[in-house]
Amino acid sequence: DIQMTQSPSSLSASVGDRVTITCRASQSISSYLNWYQQKPGEAPKLLIYAASSLQGGVPSRFSGRGSGTDFTLTIDSLQPEDFATYFCHQSYSIPYTFGQGTKLEIK
Amino acid sequence: QVQLVQSGAEVKKPGASVKVSCKASEYTFTGYYIHWVRQAPGQGLEWMGRINSNSGGTKSAQKFQGRVTMTRDTSISTAYMELSRLRFDDTAVYYCARESGDSSGYYHFDYWGQGTLVTVSS
Repeated sequence: DIQMTQSPSSLSASVGDRVTITCRASQSISSYLNWYQQKPGEAPKLLIYAASSLQGGVPSRFSGRGSGTDFTLTIDSLQPEDFATYFCHQSYSIPYTFGQGTKLEIK
Repeated sequence: QVQLVQSGAEVKKPGASVKVSCKASEYTFTGYYIHWVRQAPGQGLEWMGRINSNSGGTKSAQKFQGRVTMTRDTSISTAYMELSRLRFDDTAVYYCARESGDSSGYYHFDYWGQGTLVTVSS
């Protein structure tokens, strides 16, 4: 199975900050990497697919980069509604696997 | 508007089975795979398996093989996930999710059900 390792596991930031979350795969997954946002009590929401494609309706302050084994999710100018947990997800091979999550909290 | 609507919360005893439904609307049900993902309290996301909504073919994580059964009823655009021989650590929110692919074949979960809490308690 492909292991997905996210860092950091938690992050404190302020409104207006720029933050970057990293996800590393245990083997090359090309660009089969997706990012989701999850708020308490809600289902995950797709933000970025294919490593860098912005899902429709998602604000442009969210961006993704990377290929192979190393990927990043960047949020420019944090907004109050961005404080949530973020997960990466590889869809390169079954079993699909997720990173352990990064909880983004207000400083 | 595409929707996946799941069945309600369940409380089960250890050793019992639970069957969760996921009703799809506003898209061609047989055109997309449905995946099942669970999340234990305060934990991350765990992929359980998927069903080809057209053929009914399934694949599941090795961890759940022999305990999970995924089916679908195309006449009512509904997918089902049944987990048997429940244990305390099966307590989790269970999600269904639709898998989409872009023109390059990159797959992702673009729509999710609202989740179904399954509590295993004696």
